Amino acid sequence: AQTVTQSQPEMSVQEAETVTLSCTYDTSENNYYLFWYKQPPSRQMILVIRQEAYKQQNATENRFSVNFQKAAKSFSLKISDSQLGDTAMYFCAFMKYSLRDDKIIFGKGTRLHILP
Amino acid sequence: DTEVTQTPKHLVMGMTNKKSLKCEQHMGHRAMYWYKQKAKKPPELMFVYSYEKLSINESVPSRFSPECPNSSLLNLHLHALQPEDSALYLCASSQGTENTDTQYFGPGTRLTVL
Repeated sequence: AQTVTQSQPEMSVQEAETVTLSCTYDTSENNYYLFWYKQPPSRQMILVIRQEAYKQQNATENRFSVNFQKAAKSFSLKISDSQLGDTAMYFCAFMKYSLRDDKIIFGKGTRLHILP
Repeated sequence: DTEVTQTPKHLVMGMTNKKSLKCEQHMGHRAMYWYKQKAKKPPELMFVYSYEKLSINESVPSRFSPECPNSSLLNLHLHALQPEDSALYLCASSQGTENTDTQYFGPGTRLTVL
């Protein structure tokens, strides 16, 4: 069975700083996807970034980038130039490659506070 | 357009009531999902519909009854709920075909059972 571990329940950083959220996972699958989802307080969960396991290149989306270490089963999220609007719960998630739908396995989340 | 809509936004119901939650997407996605999320916890998968057929039921109590009338619409019928069923109920959808993966979430329905 797959598991996703986020070891930082809560973090706080000053606005404009860079912050890294940790995520490790365990799987015997070779083909899979990894995601970071963001859920602001009382707001919708949105996809921040995704990574296909077969791609060696780390995914980036503007200020958000990942450090994907497949051998170490590590998938950290780096937020550069953090903004107040980045305050949210961040979930790391795993999904194995599938012909159709399949389950997402979520980590327990990291609550990130961006301080003014 | 990556929008999944859910109605109502908030719902308060008694333990003897019958109510329904609605989810809609017009992205042509063929997989739709219901999740339950308690405060400060990750979403927990309840049901998955693939091509309008129930493909995954995560041992959810029968007081929750899903329905997928067509490829754009997903309902969750509620009956005789318990106070511990109070939670945010999230709907999501994905393309549901090979090598496609990303689930897009709706804003959720915040349910309170009295």
